[in-house]
Amino acid sequence: DAKTTQPTSMDCAEGRAANLPCNHSTISGNEYVYWYRQIHSQGPQYIIHGLKNNETNEMASLIITEDRKSSTLILPHATLRDTAVYYCIVRAVNAGNNRKLIWGLGTSLAVNP
Amino acid sequence: DADVTQTPRNRITKTGKRIMLECSQTKGHDRMYWYRQDPGLGLRLIYYSFDVKDINKGEISDGYSVSRQAQAKFSLSLESAIPNQTALYFCATSGPAGGSYNEQFFGPGTRLTVL
Repeated sequence: DAKTTQPTSMDCAEGRAANLPCNHSTISGNEYVYWYRQIHSQGPQYIIHGLKNNETNEMASLIITEDRKSSTLILPHATLRDTAVYYCIVRAVNAGNNRKLIWGLGTSLAVNP
Repeated sequence: DADVTQTPRNRITKTGKRIMLECSQTKGHDRMYWYRQDPGLGLRLIYYSFDVKDINKGEISDGYSVSRQAQAKFSLSLESAIPNQTALYFCATSGPAGGSYNEQFFGPGTRLTVL
């Protein structure tokens, strides 16, 4: 299973774009990149996912490099409510067609006023 | 109403006691999961179930058991609780297999303390 590496923490000014990097250099061709976030001790919340094309939704944009070894989650206009731990996850698919998410420690993003 | 609910939300118990954590979902999903979260360790998968007749161990199943009573209900039991099972427990659900989309929906969590 591909593993991910993220910075432990980041800061961002309110109203500015927050760019959260993730390294997944061992990703396989059929593995997707997922991003979740966890606000305080609430249940994690899905943000976005992608395979190789850049993706955008109402919450964020996901930029995946051409070699797929890294990606960046972009929150275009960060607010105080975006303060959370952000998890970059590569979906593992084993021989039994089970789909499990393997979680790392994530990046703790602090949005400052 | 929340799509994924967990009961209880907080529980303090003593070593050796049997504890059951319950999870219910109204999303109609087949797949359900139990995770625990410890400070500095992230989320770790305990058990998962892809339908009522399918139960699978995750990375840290020792000391835990589960029951999938119905599509909507998935319970986690600690037969004899020990202090290192003190953690935040999350239930999650996800939709059917197929395609690229496999978003997991999480419950609010149960904070369990074993004294």
